[in-house]
Amino acid sequence: DIQMTQSPSSLSASVGDRVTITCQASQDISDHLNWYYQKPGKAPRLLIYDASNLETGVPSRFSGSGSGTDFSLTISSLQPEEIATFYCQQYDTLPVTFGPGTKVEIK
Amino acid sequence: QVQLVQSGAEMKKPGASVKVSCKASGYSFATYGIAWVRQAPGQGLEWMGWISGFNGNADYSRKLQGRSTMTADTSTSTAYLELRGLNSDDTAVYYCARDEGRTVTTHYDSWGQGTLVTVSS
Repeated sequence: DIQMTQSPSSLSASVGDRVTITCQASQDISDHLNWYYQKPGKAPRLLIYDASNLETGVPSRFSGSGSGTDFSLTISSLQPEEIATFYCQQYDTLPVTFGPGTKVEIK
Repeated sequence: QVQLVQSGAEMKKPGASVKVSCKASGYSFATYGIAWVRQAPGQGLEWMGWISGFNGNADYSRKLQGRSTMTADTSTSTAYLELRGLNSDDTAVYYCARDEGRTVTTHYDSWGQGTLVTVSS
């Protein structure tokens, strides 16, 4: 199975900060990488698909980049509603695997 | 609008089976797939598998293969997940999600509200 790692595992940042989360795959997955976020007690929500495509309705402060094995998700200006856990997910090779998550908190 | 509505919470004893439903509305069911993802308490997301609404083909997590069955009823736009031989490790919230893929799994753009399955003696 393809292993997904994320860093950091958690972070605390101020409103308005630029935040970057990285995701690494254990083998080349091309751009077959999606990002989700999950607020406490809620279902996950798709943010970015195919590494860099913004899902409809997602604010433009979110962006994704990368290909191969190294990817990143950037929030250009962190907002209070982004208290959540962010997950990357690869679908290049079955089984689909998720990263362990990055928990974002507001300072 | 796209909506996925899941069946209610379940409490089961070890060794029992559970069947969770996921009724889709607001789109053409046969044009997309349905993925199933579960989340144990305080843990991350675990992919269980997906089923194509187009041809009914399913792929399963190797960990659950043999204990799980995914089906899709196109006449009612409803997907089902059955899990057999339940044990305490199966206690989790089970989510269905619309899969943009028609014949291969891709990304999940709309999610159900989740169904809590608790396994306890």
